[in-house]
Amino acid sequence: NSKVIQTPRYLVKGQGQKAKMRCIPEKGHPVVFWYQQNKNNEFKFLINFQNQEVLQQIDMTEKRFSAECPSNSPCSLEIQSSEAGDSALYLCASSLQVNTEVFFGKGTRLTVV
Amino acid sequence: GDSVTQTEGPVTVSESESLIINCTYSATSIAYPNLFWYVRYPGEGLQLLLKVITAGQKGSSRGFEATYNKETTSFHLQKASVQESDSAVYYCALGDHNNRIFFGDGTQLVVKP
Repeated sequence: NSKVIQTPRYLVKGQGQKAKMRCIPEKGHPVVFWYQQNKNNEFKFLINFQNQEVLQQIDMTEKRFSAECPSNSPCSLEIQSSEAGDSALYLCASSLQVNTEVFFGKGTRLTVV
Repeated sequence: GDSVTQTEGPVTVSESESLIINCTYSATSIAYPNLFWYVRYPGEGLQLLLKVITAGQKGSSRGFEATYNKETTSFHLQKASVQESDSAVYYCALGDHNNRIFFGDGTQLVVKP
C-alpha cells in the first residue's frame, strides 16, 4: 500500500482565491510528481521534482501554479488564483528513482465555486 | 502526441467469467515507452497493477496479464476468471523514462456475484 500522504482530502475555494495542497512522499523517495485528474477522468501531468529541483513542468504549471519540495518539509502545489476549470482531483506521487515504480496518494479534491 | 485509448466503461461481467479490457497507445515523442496498468479500488489511491518495459514481454499480477505489442500498439488487460473483489477502475498508461505518465480515461469494472 502506498504511503504517500496528501492533505487536505477536500478543498473548496472561491474563484480568484489561492488553493494550496500538500504531499508527503514515501520515506526516502526523492522524486515527486503532481497530476491533475479532471471530471472527465482525464489525467494531466503538471510537474515533477527530484529532491528540490524541478525536472519537467507544463506551461500551465509555470504560469499559474507554484510547486515546491523543500527538504524536511512537505511538498506543496499552490494555485495562485483559482479558476472554475481548476476543479479536479490533484494526485501526488513519488518514486525512488526517476524510472522506478511510482506510488500515488489518494489525492486532494479541489472544488472552485 | 502521446496518448492512450482504452475500453469505455462500465464493463460488467459475472464472477468467474473472463475479462478483456482493450488498450491502444500512441507514443510519438517516446521511442520505447513503458506500459502500465494501474487500478483504483473504491476508496483507495491509484496503485500499480503491472508494468512492462520491453516490447513482446508479458506482465502479470493477481491473475491479470497484459502483453506489450509494439506491432499493434496494444496492451490489452486480460483475466481468465474475475472475482467480485476485482471491481475497480482500471487505467492503462504509458510512461517516458522520466516516469512522466500518460493515462487513459479509465475503465470501470463491475463484477456481479
